[in-house]
Amino acid sequence: NAGVTQTPKFRILKIGQSMTLQCTQDMNHNYMYWYRQDPGMGLKLIYYSVGAGITDKGEVPNGYNVSRSTTEDFPLRLELAAPSQTSVYFCASSYPPEASAFFGQGTRLTVV
Amino acid sequence: AQSVTQLDSQVPVFEEAPVELRCNYSSSVSVYLFWYVQYPNQGLQLLLKYLSGSTLVKGINGFEAEFNKSQTSFHLRKPSVHISDTAEYFCAVSDLRGDNMLTFGGGTRLMVKP
Repeated sequence: NAGVTQTPKFRILKIGQSMTLQCTQDMNHNYMYWYRQDPGMGLKLIYYSVGAGITDKGEVPNGYNVSRSTTEDFPLRLELAAPSQTSVYFCASSYPPEASAFFGQGTRLTVV
Repeated sequence: AQSVTQLDSQVPVFEEAPVELRCNYSSSVSVYLFWYVQYPNQGLQLLLKYLSGSTLVKGINGFEAEFNKSQTSFHLRKPSVHISDTAEYFCAVSDLRGDNMLTFGGGTRLMVKP
């Protein structure tokens, strides 16, 4: 049972480039989330999904897009990378009614 | 909307000493409360959670936390820490709407010294 898997683990992007952070889970969870972690700021919610075909914005969605075509996958897209998007990105999944979230190992992204 | 404040950004402590990591929250509705631990270069792992019932919650690795509704606090405690407890600890809340979104505090870095 792999849990939540994120790829890649590390990436360096140039300003203006685009990329997709991949996230897949094998626990059949309906709910999936993308957070970013910046030093001293905790984690901030970027986007979330409560099921296939349904996505919604979180606290800091600007500059990002998501899709949820299957229960398992929840990719995060950066269209025009900016230095402010340098961060560690975590994907998570959870199931109702309990709110416990399972996190991936993270993707460390640097935009230069 | 909710907010979470972790009052200490860093807590140094000697091995085998007790520790308390403080967490206060603000919310206009009832919430679930969580503590997560993040070891270096790892994802977050659930330590414990409060959903309802007894206000004293026991978690993994000998940690426990007490929910105090009147003080809107959920402090994490361990009676005797080990070097291996060195990590970052995050307090988080989720309202009862059902979408399970977490609002995190800024984190507390626990540094256990020999």
